[in-house]
Amino acid sequence: AQTVTQSQPEMSVQEAETVTLSCTYDTSENNYYLFWYKQPPSRQMILVIRQEAYKQQNATENRFSVNFQKAAKSFSLKISDSQLGDTAMYFCAFMKHAADTGTASKLTFGTGTRLQVTL
Amino acid sequence: DTGVSQDPRHKITKRGQNVTFRCDPISEHNRLYWYRQTLGQGPEFLTYFQNEAQLEKSRLLSDRFSAERPKGSFSTLEIQRTEQGDSAMYLCASSLALRWTGNTIYFGEGSWLTVV
Repeated sequence: AQTVTQSQPEMSVQEAETVTLSCTYDTSENNYYLFWYKQPPSRQMILVIRQEAYKQQNATENRFSVNFQKAAKSFSLKISDSQLGDTAMYFCAFMKHAADTGTASKLTFGTGTRLQVTL
Repeated sequence: DTGVSQDPRHKITKRGQNVTFRCDPISEHNRLYWYRQTLGQGPEFLTYFQNEAQLEKSRLLSDRFSAERPKGSFSTLEIQRTEQGDSAMYLCASSLALRWTGNTIYFGEGSWLTVV
């Protein structure tokens, strides 16, 4: 079974600054995907960024980038130029690629990091 | 393109009553997932469907829980004889799962259940 650990329950960052959220995972799988989801106070989960484990290049989406260290099983999220709208819970999630069906399966989530962006 | 929609958004019920939640996935999505989330926790997987087939069920899904996706489109999650421990947000999600590619999952806004 896969586990996802987010060791920072809460973090705070000032507007326009950079913040990094940590995530580690445990798996024996070789083919998998990693995700960061954002859940604002309105509660709808929104995809922030996704990384395929077979890709060495770190994924980026505008102000969001990841540092994927496969050997260390680490997948951190960096938010640059933080904005007030980034205030939310951030969840790291793991999805294995099922060899029997050739498709990816379900998400396993960490416990989340509550990020507060302040003026 | 509409997103994943869930109904009702909020439900308050007395202990022992049955409740049913409905989820309409994004059109053309073949996978549909149900998750449960309590305050301050990450979502926990309950079950998922590929088209109308239920492919996996979590041990969290007790005998009181049943999910269906009869025509491979919308899905229902029924909880029988509700208990206070069932109070949570029930999240539905959908995706287009293709062979040899990733599977990005999109979530609905959730259905809040309060059992009193």
